[in-house]
Amino acid sequence: DADVTQTPRNRITKTGKRIMLECSQTKGHDRMYWYRQDPGLGLRLIYYSFDVKDINKGEISDGYSVSRQAQAKFSLSLESAIPNQTALYFCATQSAGSQETQYFGPGTRLLVL
Amino acid sequence: AQSVTQLDSHVSVSEGTPVLLRCNYSSSYSPSLFWYVQHPNKGLQLLLKYTSAATLVKGINGFEAEFKKSETSFHLTKPSAHMSDAAEYFCASGGGYNKLIFGAGTRLAVHP
Repeated sequence: DADVTQTPRNRITKTGKRIMLECSQTKGHDRMYWYRQDPGLGLRLIYYSFDVKDINKGEISDGYSVSRQAQAKFSLSLESAIPNQTALYFCATQSAGSQETQYFGPGTRLLVL
Repeated sequence: AQSVTQLDSHVSVSEGTPVLLRCNYSSSYSPSLFWYVQHPNKGLQLLLKYTSAATLVKGINGFEAEFKKSETSFHLTKPSAHMSDAAEYFCASGGGYNKLIFGAGTRLAVHP
């Protein structure tokens, strides 16, 4: 969905390096999410944010941190990358209210050597 | 705890034949349920969602799904597969606090 953009789209890094993945949205949604996708495991939630001042851990937050710089921007950082963080990372947004659809960005493919 | 199980990791059909992708959920209440599709090198696109209205939900591209509470199922169907349907499909359940719980995915192959 062009309304949710992620940069970079592909990244190769080395073990121990710090990297940041960025997500921006023009949908005006308050809620933003970071997921990682691994083959055979589906998508798993890393962090989510309901507004600029509200950050919450998901099921697999260890080794990751996030920053909600503005309503439209939500960044994911790997403080010290390790090979098992090699995955496809997705950002998603959602408007406030229950049962609302989440809209996904195109993904960032990360390879940690 | 909530969970979503997609019963087939791979499904292969011939073009023009029906598609059935199976999904079972586990929840202590009637959840919202979603099907997303992921084409190669693309993000996830919503196909359809169930939010406690009609149990038969129609989505885009001719897909539909039926919510069956007694079977805790939300299977995705399409009467006639097209080559462009080849993709990975994810079933997801609303996990409370507006979080989604995803199944492991089903890769659909469509053969001529």
